[in-house]
Formats: sequence, structure tokens, C-alpha cells
Amino acid sequence: KAGVTQTPRYLIKTRGQQVTLSCSPISGHRSVSWYQQTPGQGLQFLFEYFSETQRNKGNFPGRFSGRQFSNSRSEMNVSTLELGDSALYLCASRQGTSGIRGQYFGPGTRLTVT
Amino acid sequence: ILNVEQSPQSLHVQEGDSTNFTCSFPSSNFYALHWYRWETAKSPEALFVMTLNGDEKKKGRISATLNTKEGYSYLYIKGSQPEDSATYLCAPNFGNEKLTFGTGTRLTIIP
Repeated sequence: KAGVTQTPRYLIKTRGQQVTLSCSPISGHRSVSWYQQTPGQGLQFLFEYFSETQRNKGNFPGRFSGRQFSNSRSEMNVSTLELGDSALYLCASRQGTSGIRGQYFGPGTRLTVT
Repeated sequence: ILNVEQSPQSLHVQEGDSTNFTCSFPSSNFYALHWYRWETAKSPEALFVMTLNGDEKKKGRISATLNTKEGYSYLYIKGSQPEDSATYLCAPNFGNEKLTFGTGTRLTIIP
């Protein structure tokens, strides 16, 4: 099976712009989660989607939003970019949302905001 | 906010030596614990998932134990090899579907 894919892999944006990141899960996985990683921080949970519905949400401002399509692909949008949004954004997929289900991670999108 | 702590933050180990590190988490409402290995320039990769107190899992030279009553898990690496260099992340779950990741232990194996 193909793994989790994320596009683009690298992105440079200017403060105030918006950005959309894409994630295609492993075939058959209906759950997609998004994480942000900044230097010195662990993986900070953004949100999780399952069957096109947001199941869980982390403590991020409303500028961060996401959605999931009927084919389970997911997009994450960040509006009005700030310098502090520069980070590695990882998505992860799993078959269900049970806490016992491990996640399969994509390679990440490295976002730099200047 | 759930407090998941991993110690030490970083570790340098001579090739061939064995090592271990810790993940501490709140014991109440515990449901499952996941361990991941994250090598530089790669994606985090699942190592183990454990649920029961006293659980012990093994994968090659890597093993993990779980104490749900006191809220900790140990990861052990026997006979460290250069390919073990990575950041090791733990992620407990408390029955609410979310995985809460610790900040990781960065392991460097010195040849």
C-alpha cells in the first residue's frame, strides 16, 4: 500500500498570506490528523477528521482550519499567516479513531513564513 | 492540558551500549500508550502500542514496559547501533481518541 502523502513538501509564504496543505491518507484509512511541530516543541495536535467530520480539535486559533473530502483526503488551511506559524506540519492517518489505533505519518510539509 | 514528560531530552550513547528512557503521563483515564521512532528526514514510525499494566513489548533489540498505575513507560534499547539514532516519542491516549505526544528523547549513537 502506498503511504501517507503530503503536498507540497516545502513552502515559503509571506506574513498575512494564507496557505493550504494537502494530505492523502493510506487507502482504507478514514481518519486524518494534523500536527504542528516547532523547534523545542513536541507534536502539537491541530485536529482530526473522520468520514468528513471533525472529531477532535487542539488548542489552536481559528486561523487554522481543515476539511476532509469523501475520498478521505484532507486539507489544512492557515489564514493570515504569522511568523510563528513557521513549522513542520505532519498529517497522519489511521483506520479508525480508537485510542488504540496507531497512526501512520506522512513526510510533512515544511512551511516558512517570512 | 495533559502533561506528558519524556526524559532525558537527549542522550548520547556509545555503540554497543544499552540504554533506556522514560515517558511519564497522568495515570487517570489511561487507555493506551504508543511509542514512535522518528529518524531525521523521515516520518515518525510506530514501534509499539500498549494498554495493560505490566505490558511488555519487544521488537528486535528494542523493548518497552508499561506501568499504568504510576503512569510511566520505559523504552529499552539493547546493544545500540548507529541506526538507532532517532527521536523517540511516546503518546498516551486517555480514551478520547486523541494522542498526546511528549517532546521526545533524542538519541545519538556514537560509533
